[in-house]
Amino acid sequence: GAVVSQHPSWVICKSGTSVKIECRSLDFQATTMFWYRQFPKQSLMLMATSNEGSKATYEQGVEKDKFLINHASLTLSTLTVTSAHPEDSSFYICSATLNRGSASEYGGETGELFFGEGSRLTVL
Amino acid sequence: AQSVTQPDIHITVSEGASLELRCNYSYGATPYLFWYVQSPGQGLQLLLKYFSGDTLVQGIKGFEAEFKRSQSSFNLRKPSVHWSDAAEYFCAGWANFGNEKLTFGTGTRLTIIP
Repeated sequence: GAVVSQHPSWVICKSGTSVKIECRSLDFQATTMFWYRQFPKQSLMLMATSNEGSKATYEQGVEKDKFLINHASLTLSTLTVTSAHPEDSSFYICSATLNRGSASEYGGETGELFFGEGSRLTVL
Repeated sequence: AQSVTQPDIHITVSEGASLELRCNYSYGATPYLFWYVQSPGQGLQLLLKYFSGDTLVQGIKGFEAEFKRSQSSFNLRKPSVHWSDAAEYFCAGWANFGNEKLTFGTGTRLTIIP
């Protein structure tokens, strides 16, 4: 099945530094990727929708200058947490959806989302 | 607002017992519905999905779910749970194909006791 990989799986950084998280679709092309944030024991909160070759669409309340998203290719989207602070510590998860018309074995008919393993960010 | 809700925050069942996790939706039309499982510190794995056809869908790991329009529900079931099923379970949905902004339920944490 379709695989989405995130890197790094965990990162610790000092307050004020920037951290980049990568999300790659390994065996399919993803025109759209999504970034979620998950606080402990809570559900996933959609942060932004990332479309290849265009600016990301951010959800209400998410600072676009704080969370920079780049989707430069059909297999890679990056999330950069700029000037990170302890309150940015969280579990960040990306997901990707297939291009229209992709093989049903990959869930293309229903636009199924494939999730990365998540990246745990701890800001000291 | 269109959404999915999971009424149970935490459920504890004995190993070998049956399981049912509840999910209700509030979409106007027939939504696309999913169940995902998340182990601690991990991403999400799709258990099963429903978008049309047979209302009883089979998934991986012995799970199944039944779409009931009259009850606006999409409950997840398993006849006999294993200790490895302990995890967080999320119901999710979206109203229209092409609008892939999944709405997640708040999740149900499943604990298995020996």
